[in-house]
Amino acid sequence: GENVEQHPSTLSVQEGDSAVIKCTYSDSASNYFPWYKQELGKRPQLIIDIRSNVGEKKDQRIAVTLNKTAKHFSLHITETQPEDSAVYFCAASQRGGSQGNLIFGKGTKLSVKP
Amino acid sequence: DARVTQTPRHKVTEMGQEVTMRCQPILGHNTVFWYRQTMMQGLELLAYFRNRAPLDDSGMPKDRFSAEMPDATLATLKIQPSEPRDSAVYFCASGLVLGTPQETQYFGPGTRLLVL
Repeated sequence: GENVEQHPSTLSVQEGDSAVIKCTYSDSASNYFPWYKQELGKRPQLIIDIRSNVGEKKDQRIAVTLNKTAKHFSLHITETQPEDSAVYFCAASQRGGSQGNLIFGKGTKLSVKP
Repeated sequence: DARVTQTPRHKVTEMGQEVTMRCQPILGHNTVFWYRQTMMQGLELLAYFRNRAPLDDSGMPKDRFSAEMPDATLATLKIQPSEPRDSAVYFCASGLVLGTPQETQYFGPGTRLLVL
C-alpha cells in the first residue's frame, strides 16, 4: 500500500523567510497530492493540491512542486507570516485514487517567529 | 459555504461507557471518512464509506468500534466499551469521488474525546 513520509517534523523560520516541507510517496499510481493546514484546535483545511499531470502549482505565497520520477512533492511558503504557524500535512491518493482515500504524512509543525 | 458538521464537539466519559459520534457530510458528497488524531500517531484512517456502503474499515479496532451510515446525511462512529487509550480527536471528512482523478476531502471540526 501507499506510504507517505514527511520531513521535517518541526520547522522554525523567521518572519519573511521561506519554508519548505518535503514529502515522499511509495505508490507510483498515486495521482493526487493535497496539502492541509491545521491550526491549533482546528480542523485540517485544504490549502493547495496538485495532480500528477502537472509539475508545479502556485497560489499567492504558496506553491507545490511534484517530481513523479523521484516520487516526491514539496510545499513552499514564501514571505512567511506569523499566521502561517500551524501543522501542515501532505497526503497522497491511494491506489491511483480509485478508492477515494488519502494517505497522510505525520505532519510538520511550522513556527514563524516575528 | 457548505461544511461538514460533527457532534458532540467535546465528550468526557468514563471507561466502559458507550460513546457515539455523529457526522453530517456536505450535501451531495458520496464518500465519508472517519479519522482519529493523536500526538503519537498523527491522522489515522479508521473507516470510510461510499454511497453509504462501507469500503474499508481495516483501520478500526473491530472489537469495540463500529461505523455506520443510516442515511446519506448521517454517519456515526460508536465505541463500546470505551477505554482511556481511545482518547483522541475524531474527525469526519467527506468528499465527492467519481473515479480518477481524486477529489479532495473536507474535514469536520472534530470530536475531542477524553476517556477517564
